[in-house]
Amino acid sequence: EPEVTQTPSHQVTQMGQEVILRCVPISNHLYFYWYRQILGQKVEFLVSFYNNEISEKSEIFDDQFSVERPDGSNFTLKIRSTKLEDSAMYFCATSEAGALWTQYFGPGTRLLVL
Amino acid sequence: AQTVTQSQPEMSVQEAETVTLSCTYDTSESDYYLFWYKQPPSRQMILVIRQEAYKQQNATENRFSVNFQKAAKSFSLKISDSQLGDAAMYFCAYRSPSPHAGNMLTFGGGTRLMVKP
Repeated sequence: EPEVTQTPSHQVTQMGQEVILRCVPISNHLYFYWYRQILGQKVEFLVSFYNNEISEKSEIFDDQFSVERPDGSNFTLKIRSTKLEDSAMYFCATSEAGALWTQYFGPGTRLLVL
Repeated sequence: AQTVTQSQPEMSVQEAETVTLSCTYDTSESDYYLFWYKQPPSRQMILVIRQEAYKQQNATENRFSVNFQKAAKSFSLKISDSQLGDAAMYFCAYRSPSPHAGNMLTFGGGTRLMVKP
C-alpha cells in the first residue's frame, strides 16, 4: 500500500538554525498538509498546500515557516530560525483530489531544538 | 471555529472485551466529516474510520464502529474484541467541508487506550 514518507525521522538542531523537513507524498495525491504535535499536546494544523500555493494556514504558521514543492515530488517545510518551542513532532499528510476527506499521514519527524 | 473534545484522557480494556471512546465537537456547519485516528507508540497517525455527517448510517470497519449522534454532536468509537495491538493513542478529528478551511483537520486531545492481556 502506498505510504507517505518523511525524512529525517529525527533531527536535533541549535536554536536559531534553519531546518528543512521533507515529505514524499503518495504519488497521485495533490493536496499536502503539515501538522505538528508538541509532546503531550494536541495535533495542530500548520498549513495546507495545493497547486503550488498555500490554501490555508494557522496562526502558528508565521513568517519563520515556509513550504514548497521544489521538484514535483518532495514537499518541504522550512523553519528559518528555530526556537526552543518549535521542538515537536512534525507530520506531513496528503490527500488525493477525488477524496479530500481522507488525509494520509507520514511517520513524522521529531525535531528537537536545543 | 470548530472544537473537538475527548473527555477521557485514558481508558483501559481487557483483551477480547469491548471499549467505547467518546468524542464531542462543536460546529455551526451542517455537513462535515469526522474521523478517528490511531497513534501507536511508533507515533505514525493511522486512519481508523471516517464518517460523513450527511450519512445517517454509522460507519463500521471490521472491529471498529462509530456511534454518530448528529444532534448531540457526539462521535464515539467502539472497538470490539480488543487486541493488544489496539493499544495506542486515539484522536478524534473534524474536517469542515468549506473550501476556505483548506481541508484542515481539527483534532481532539486524544485518549490513551491500554489493553490488558
